[in-house]
Amino acid sequence: NAGVTQTPKFQVLKTGQSMTLQCAQDMNHNSMYWYRQDPGMGLRLIYYSASEGTTDKGEVPNGYNVSRLNKREFSLRLESAAPSQTSVYFCASSEGQISNQPQHFGDGTRLSIL
Amino acid sequence: KNQVEQSPQSLIILEGKNCTLQCNYTVSPFSNLRWYKQDTGRGPVSLTIMTFSENTKSNGRYTATLDADTKQSSLHITASQLSDSASYICVVSARWYGGSQGNLIFGKGTKLSVKP
Repeated sequence: NAGVTQTPKFQVLKTGQSMTLQCAQDMNHNSMYWYRQDPGMGLRLIYYSASEGTTDKGEVPNGYNVSRLNKREFSLRLESAAPSQTSVYFCASSEGQISNQPQHFGDGTRLSIL
Repeated sequence: KNQVEQSPQSLIILEGKNCTLQCNYTVSPFSNLRWYKQDTGRGPVSLTIMTFSENTKSNGRYTATLDADTKQSSLHITASQLSDSASYICVVSARWYGGSQGNLIFGKGTKLSVKP
């Protein structure tokens, strides 16, 4: 039972390069989320998708774009990577309204921007 | 401002001992409080979710308590094991009207090390 799968697990980029982080869930969940986790800080929401076909900004959306490709997949794109985007990125999903449901997290993508 | 504060930042205990982690929050309007366990290099895993009306909730050797009046929660770990070494994150959900996305406020976590 895979749950939430993120690819790649590690990535090193140069400043200005672009890349897409992939996330897929096999639990038939409606809602999906992208977070970043930095040392000494709590997880911060970048973007979320309450349901297929919708996306909304979270707390720290600048420099990122997202695509809810279908119910299973939610991708995060960095158009022009900056060193400040060096972080661990987590994708999560939940069955329905986040206030009532636990989130299931992937194991993260560790991204370094040089 | 909605905030979640956890203490201590880190804790070292001997295998077999009990420990208690603390979480204080200033989140309004309150919806629920969650505890997550995050192993090194892994994503967080949900331990418990408690609503306003729940005072205590257990998951195996993990017992969470909630005092909504004082806005405090604790996570008690009984008979610790080496596998309990992890970060424990307190997350408070604020009720969100008009949308399906509740507002989750994450604490910075308590790093627990269990030594043999």
